[in-house]
Amino acid sequence: DAGVIQSPRHEVTEMGQEVTLRCKPISGHDYLFWYRQTMMRGLELLIYFNNNVPIDDSGMPEDRFSAKMPNASFSTLKIQPSEPRDSAVYFCASRSGLDQETQYFGPGTRLLVL
Amino acid sequence: DQQVKQNSPSLSVQEGRISILNCDYTNSMFDYFLWYKKYPAEGPTFLISISSIKDKNEDGRFTVFLNKSAKHLSLHIVPSQPGDSAVYFCAASGGLSGTYKYIFGTGTRLKVLA
Repeated sequence: DAGVIQSPRHEVTEMGQEVTLRCKPISGHDYLFWYRQTMMRGLELLIYFNNNVPIDDSGMPEDRFSAKMPNASFSTLKIQPSEPRDSAVYFCASRSGLDQETQYFGPGTRLLVL
Repeated sequence: DQQVKQNSPSLSVQEGRISILNCDYTNSMFDYFLWYKKYPAEGPTFLISISSIKDKNEDGRFTVFLNKSAKHLSLHIVPSQPGDSAVYFCAASGGLSGTYKYIFGTGTRLKVLA
C-alpha cells in the first residue's frame, strides 16, 4: 500500500484566498483524522471521521475551516478565507477500527499564507 | 489547556548513551499512551505504546514507562544512535475523548551526537 497520500505537499497563498488540502487514506481504513502542527501547540486534532461521517470537529478553529469526506478514499480540508495565522503543517492520518491499531500519518502539507 | 505536556522542547545526547524523553498528562481517564517519531518533511510514525494496565513496555532499544499516580510517562532509548535524531511526540487517548482521538504533546526534539 502507498500509505496515506496528501496533496499538495506545499502551498503558498495570499491572505483571503481559498485553500483546499486533499487526503487519500489507506485502503480499508475507516477512520480519518486531520491535524495541524505548529511550534506553539504541537499536533492538534482538527476533526475526525468514521465511515465518512464527521464524529468530532471540536478542534476546528473557526468557521473558516471546513472538512468533507465524500467517500472512503478521499477527504478535503478547506480554509476560506485563509489568514497568515493558518500557516502550519497539516497532516492527514487514517487507521482501522481494530483494537491495538494506531494511526498512520501522511507526509503533510506545508501551508504558508502571506 | 494542554492535557498532554512535553516540557522539554529539545534534548541532546551522546551516541551510545541513554535518551530519556518525558511526558506528563492531566486527565486521569486516559488509558492508552503512545510515542510517535517524526523526521523532517515526513509525517509522524508510530514507535511504541502502553496501556494503563501496564507500567512498562519494551521493544528493542525503546522502553516506555508509565507512572499513573504521577500521571507521567517516559521513553527510554538505549543505546541512542544518530538515526534516532528526530522529534518525538507523546499522545494519549481514552476517557471522554474516546479510543480513537489522540491528544498529542508539543514534541521534544532529540539530537544524538556522533
